[in-house]
Amino acid sequence: GQQVMQIPQYQHVQEGEDFTTYCNSSTTLSNIQWYKQRPGGHPVFLIQLVKSGEVKKQKRLTFQFGEAKKNSSLHITATQTTDVGTYFCAGSGSGGYQKVTFGTGTKLQVIP
Amino acid sequence: DVKVTQSSRYLVKRTGEKVFLECVQDMDHENMFWYRQDPGLGLRLIYFSYDVKMKEKGDIPEGYSVSREKKERFSLILESASTNQTSMYLCATTDGINYYEQYFGPGTRLTVT
Repeated sequence: GQQVMQIPQYQHVQEGEDFTTYCNSSTTLSNIQWYKQRPGGHPVFLIQLVKSGEVKKQKRLTFQFGEAKKNSSLHITATQTTDVGTYFCAGSGSGGYQKVTFGTGTKLQVIP
Repeated sequence: DVKVTQSSRYLVKRTGEKVFLECVQDMDHENMFWYRQDPGLGLRLIYFSYDVKMKEKGDIPEGYSVSREKKERFSLILESASTNQTSMYLCATTDGINYYEQYFGPGTRLTVT
């Protein structure tokens, strides 16, 4: 079955440093989504990428979908304490109602 | 705003008990999902439903069943709870257009002793 791995599992950064999490799928994806889960909270949808090589930005967050549509990344510039949480990618194959497979998540800790 | 509610925030049950977890959404979304979340494993799909009385198995359906008698309500049933079902359970919904944009409920932390 489809597997989606994320690295790193944990990341501690000093406030102001950049952060990147990587998502790798065992199969080609039709699309990928990114979610953020604050400590004690539930996952909240951030964005969806669909096209090969697509890059989208949300303020300090940059999302990228690989050319082969098997990997993706989330980069945060100049982290802030409000960025603390776990970031998940989620992807699915093509056609119909496809099951979404979530990545294992990257837990970000920002040291003030 | 989509509102997804779950019947309990915390639940403690004994091994062998039948457990019902309920999810209710107020946005007329067609699709509903049940996940469990465990440290280091991310979210794993248990079951999903794309219509009333319709259900599809996810990646880890063993030991679980579901019921969707009304569009707004999706129940997860643990037929005979076991300690390895101790976990955080999350319900999610999506509409038919933005199928992959999932809205999650607050979660139920279930402990089976």
